Amino acid sequence: GAVVSQHPSWVICKSGTSVKIECRSLDFQATTMFWYRQFPKQSLMLMATSNEGSKATYEQGVEKDKFLINHASLTLSTLTVTSAHPEDSSFYICSAASGPLGEQFFGPGTRLTVL
Amino acid sequence: AQSVTQPDIHITVSEGASLELRCNYSYGATPYLFWYVQSPGQGLQLLLKYFSGDTLVQGIKGFEAEFKRSQSSFNLRKPSVHWSDAAEYFCAVGVSGGTASKLTFGTGTRLQVTL
Repeated sequence: GAVVSQHPSWVICKSGTSVKIECRSLDFQATTMFWYRQFPKQSLMLMATSNEGSKATYEQGVEKDKFLINHASLTLSTLTVTSAHPEDSSFYICSAASGPLGEQFFGPGTRLTVL
Repeated sequence: AQSVTQPDIHITVSEGASLELRCNYSYGATPYLFWYVQSPGQGLQLLLKYFSGDTLVQGIKGFEAEFKRSQSSFNLRKPSVHWSDAAEYFCAVGVSGGTASKLTFGTGTRLQVTL
């Protein structure tokens, strides 16, 4: 149980285009999902907290107009990187919270490369 | 705000040797503590967690960790390391807030196993 998927697993795009990443909880409902960014050989940095049916809460320094988050259902959250630039290239990981203590279950990650 | 310190960036051990990865946290109340493992290009897998109760926690793959409040530590141990344990290990502290715990990660410890 508690499986989280991400799609796509990797994506290459041209500078200036937008990219959408999906995060799904496959066998449970998640009121809250999280989006992280991980640079090579570094730790995970929380970008935003996504609650179903409401606006996402962004961490300090994260541009909400650049990283659009939508949490339209209890099993799906999407992250759209708008007008992507090479500095947006990174590994993006989502997690979905479940259970009475809100334990997070992580997706396998999406590798974004912007040319 | 909470923080996590993993003082060892890189550790090398021989297969069959014992392992201890250090983790120190800073948080004003009783924390939720986690250890995750990440293989290259993959998402995070939960090894074990501490919420309350017994301070010695057993996890998957033969790992255990001990919560020591007096030392603000949550060190990960394994009595005999296998070559497949080579990976990046992250300690995290969770702060309960509503329906989910917000996680703060340490910088990670890369484990190399020599045969």
